[in-house]
Amino acid sequence: GAGVSQSPSNKVTEKGKDVELRCDPISGHTALYWYRQRLGQGLEFLIYFQGNSAPDKSGLPSDRFSAERTGESVSTLTIQRTQQEDSAVYLCASSPTSGSYEKLFFGSGTQLSVL
Amino acid sequence: DAKTTQPPSMDCAEGRAANLPCNHSTISGNEYVYWYRQIHSQGPQYIIHGLKNNETNEMASLIITEDRKSSTLILPHATLRDTAVYYCIVRVDNAGNMLTFGGGTRLMVKP
Repeated sequence: GAGVSQSPSNKVTEKGKDVELRCDPISGHTALYWYRQRLGQGLEFLIYFQGNSAPDKSGLPSDRFSAERTGESVSTLTIQRTQQEDSAVYLCASSPTSGSYEKLFFGSGTQLSVL
Repeated sequence: DAKTTQPPSMDCAEGRAANLPCNHSTISGNEYVYWYRQIHSQGPQYIIHGLKNNETNEMASLIITEDRKSSTLILPHATLRDTAVYYCIVRVDNAGNMLTFGGGTRLMVKP
């Protein structure tokens, strides 16, 4: 596609349920990033993929969070047993290679609301 | 990565130049200055970056002081659509890994 696509755009779930958030990066982009942004706050790094490998998982806040990427394309961020503090916008970004910061493109995010 | 300091908010009149400052006094010789902005309900968008020379593109100009300890992003003729949070980030180019977004400056362009 023309840009980074994220789905769903909005997700409302009940506390304790699992959710999956999807990111379709720009075709050919080998680097993929996940960030979280709570209301009125800055971006919080979660995880970074180079190809299908995740060299940096340091930002994942707990073992309830996991992510995978397949075919050097689609990535899925999974949150198990969601908590109210997980409510945030989850942003995905991709770039042609890692470190191509001027070619880093973000999606519009998934707004997650945990009731 | 070098830490950056930006004012939390600024106002600018529509049609006037918006000058957004950023301090990065601990910047290293191989670190670039990147600017991104985030318009409400969207993901951040790359604006411009530079190492030591001033840079200009279709969106903005970047002025970096000679000692590289501070920089200014200039939007020459601000419009209402430029209302956004502007992030100044210092990073070694092609270093891999993620960009760290700080608090940024919330620019409000007023009619």
